[in-house]
Amino acid sequence: AQTVTQSQPEMSVQEAETVTLSCTYDTSESDYYLFWYKQPPSRQMILVIRQEAYKQQNATENRFSVNFQKAAKSFSLKISDSQLGDAAMYFCAYGRRDDKIIFGKGTRLHILP
Amino acid sequence: DAGVTQSPTHLIKTRGQQVTLRCSPISGHKSVSWYQQVLGQGPQFIFQYYEKEERGRGNFPDRFSARQFPNYSSELNVNALLLGDSALYLCASSLGVGRAYEQYFGPGTRLTVT
Repeated sequence: AQTVTQSQPEMSVQEAETVTLSCTYDTSESDYYLFWYKQPPSRQMILVIRQEAYKQQNATENRFSVNFQKAAKSFSLKISDSQLGDAAMYFCAYGRRDDKIIFGKGTRLHILP
Repeated sequence: DAGVTQSPTHLIKTRGQQVTLRCSPISGHKSVSWYQQVLGQGPQFIFQYYEKEERGRGNFPDRFSARQFPNYSSELNVNALLLGDSALYLCASSLGVGRAYEQYFGPGTRLTVT
């Protein structure tokens, strides 16, 4: 069975600094997707970034980028120039084309002014 | 365009009661999935529906059921509520089978069972 593990329950970063959230996963499949979702106190689950496993190039969305290490089954999220609005729960997740999304337990990110 | 909508926003029920949660997908989306998010945890998959048929079911008891209507909206029903059913219930929609990796989430319904 596929699993997603986030080993950092909470993290803090100074505003304007860079922070990296860690995630590992386990799967025997070769074709899959990895996601980072943001869930602010408003509860809305927002897709931050998506990585297709068959693509070697790491996905980037503005200040957000990932480090995808397929052999190591590692998928970390780097947030550059952290802003107060980045404070939220961040969930790493795994999914396939025709299947459910499997979420990790989340990392709560605090931004220090 | 409107996103995924869910109703009600929150509700309080008593143990043993039944509850119905509603979800309207993004226009053009034909697949709806339901997730349960217990406080402090990540969401867990409950059901996926496509074209009114169940396409996937998570590890939840038979007290949980769902259906999808011709307009692709969906209802999640939970019978004989337990305290442990207290959670945020999220609905997500996608274009359809084969596009599950592009799921858009609604704001959720917060269910409290007392």
